[in-house]
Amino acid sequence: GAVVSQHPSWVICKSGTSVKIECRSLDFQATTMFWYRQFPKQSLMLMATSNEGSKATYEQGVEKDKFLINHASLTLSTLTVTSAHPEDSSFYICSARSGTSGDEQYFGPGTRLTVT
Amino acid sequence: AQSVTQLGSHVSVSEGALVLLRCNYSSSVPPYLFWYVQYPNQGLQLLLKYTSAATLVKGINGFEAEFKKSETSFHLTKPSAHMSDAAEYFCAVSRAGSYQLTFGKGTKLSVIP
Repeated sequence: GAVVSQHPSWVICKSGTSVKIECRSLDFQATTMFWYRQFPKQSLMLMATSNEGSKATYEQGVEKDKFLINHASLTLSTLTVTSAHPEDSSFYICSARSGTSGDEQYFGPGTRLTVT
Repeated sequence: AQSVTQLGSHVSVSEGALVLLRCNYSSSVPPYLFWYVQYPNQGLQLLLKYTSAATLVKGINGFEAEFKKSETSFHLTKPSAHMSDAAEYFCAVSRAGSYQLTFGKGTKLSVIP
């Protein structure tokens, strides 16, 4: 089946620093990738949608200058949290779809970010 | 606009008992509906999906769901709960061709031995 990986699985960073999270599709080409944020005991909130080679489309209320998304290849998308603050601490999950997967998205295992 | 309401943030069932997780949706266009399962500190795994074909959808691990347009519901069921079913379950909706999912708040399923 289609596999999506994320790296790192967890990260701790100091307030004011930046952290990069990678999302990779291991056995298919991801034409579209999605980034979600999940707070404890809450649902996933879509942050942005990115298509390979294009600028990401951010959901309302998501700061594009704070959450930088790059989808430079068909197998890799990155989310960089810039100038992180404790309130950015969350579980970040990516998903990916290929041109042949139709409506189905394949989810990564998530990255736990803790900002101290 | 689309939305999903999952009734009950926490459901407990005995092992071997029926599992019923409720999901109601709101959509101005014919929806696609999904159920996902999430184990602790893991991503989401697709259980099943409805995309305008058969209204009774069978998924993995013995789960199934029935799309009822008149009730705007897509409840998830399993005849006999297993300990390994303990997890968080999310219902989600999208529009055909949109690929963007709107999730419910999730229901945590506990299975009592």
